[in-house]
Formats: sequence, structure tokens, C-alpha cells
Amino acid sequence: DAGITQSPRHKVTETGTPVTLRCHQTENHRYMYWYRQDPGHGLRLIHYSYGVKDTDKGEVSDGYSVSRSKTEDFLLTLESATSSQTSVYFCAISEGLNTEAFFGQGTRLTVV
Amino acid sequence: TQLLEQSPQFLSIQEGENLTVYCNSSSVFSSLQWYRQEPGEGPVLLVTVVTGGEVKKLKRLTFQFGDARKDSSLHITAAQPGDTGLYLCAGAGYGGSQGNLIFGKGTKLSVKP
Repeated sequence: DAGITQSPRHKVTETGTPVTLRCHQTENHRYMYWYRQDPGHGLRLIHYSYGVKDTDKGEVSDGYSVSRSKTEDFLLTLESATSSQTSVYFCAISEGLNTEAFFGQGTRLTVV
Repeated sequence: TQLLEQSPQFLSIQEGENLTVYCNSSSVFSSLQWYRQEPGEGPVLLVTVVTGGEVKKLKRLTFQFGDARKDSSLHITAAQPGDTGLYLCAGAGYGGSQGNLIFGKGTKLSVKP
């Protein structure tokens, strides 16, 4: 299995609070991605990174920010959580853009 | 607008039956990937098809990429309960660009013993 770890695995938070999800990889892959998965919408890209301090927006980036200060870590921050951000969040890594993606086990986030 | 349409959305069959899942688009992709996702886990890559008309086999699973690289199918022969899961197709290189993977919404397969 690809060495990719997401933390926490589950989180419940209140509306308006900031939340940070962490993705850690041991594969030294260049690309890292954050997706959210919702019923009826499938997997949608939030942000991705193509190197340390190099990030770009995905399809549903509003309300989210990311940071990558080290190759192995990619952080997703919900600046002020809203109920619409209740979802399952997946981190993924790949060696090249659009090559095989390895996914983490996901973080289930509930905003109440 | 959903760039990749998967059908059917849900499929419930008996063990031993055959099935086909479709992934269609009006856009051309440079390659297409198929993933399977089990409950509580992340998706896992099954196969990547790159060439128009390409057919790849993975045991009882057969994957085909359309000649025009706009569509793909996954055929499972003699389905087993272990095939149960969410099957996702993902297109790369949409419209010839270097854009990110675009996922379909998935087909949820349930194989009953």
C-alpha cells in the first residue's frame, strides 16, 4: 500500500470554527491532491499541489486553503467551517499529473 | 455539467451474473482510469487505458476504451460478492489540456451470494 496517511479520520466541529486536515506521504510523490466526496456529486477536486509551496485551485476551492511546506505534508484548512462542508475528504498522491493516484483512507468531517 | 457520465448509478445482481458499466463523455480524454472503492476506504486504481480501442483484462474484469477516446466500459464476468463496491471512472487530459483528473459519479455495485 502507498504510504499515505490522513488525520484525523473523523472530526465533528461547530459552524464558524477553523479546521485543518493533514495528509502525510512517505512516497516522495510530487503531486498531492485534496478531494471531497459527496452523494450525488462524486469526487471533486478542492486544491492540488505540484511541489513545495506550489499549489493551485480545483473545481470547488471556495472556503478552503492549502499549504505544502514539505514534500511529505499537504494541509487543508477550512477557514470558517459551514454545514455545506460536511463531507468525506480524501487526500491523494501521484508521481506525475494525472498518473495513477493513490488515495488515503479519508476523513469524515461533520460541521454542526 | 458532468463531463463524465457513468451508468448505471446502481446495480444489484446475483453471484455469477455478468454486468457492464459505462463511462461516457462528449469530450476526448488522453487516458481513462478505473478505480474501485470499498466502504470506508479510498479509491484504488484498477486499470488505465490510453489508446483508442484498447482492451485490457484483469482476471474477470475487461476494460475497453472507445475508438474516439470519449467513452469506456467495464465488463465483469461471473460476478462475485467480492466485486461489490463503487466503481469510478476518471478522465485525464480533458480536451487535450494538462488539467486534472475528472471523476464520474460512480456505479455502486452490489453482488448478492
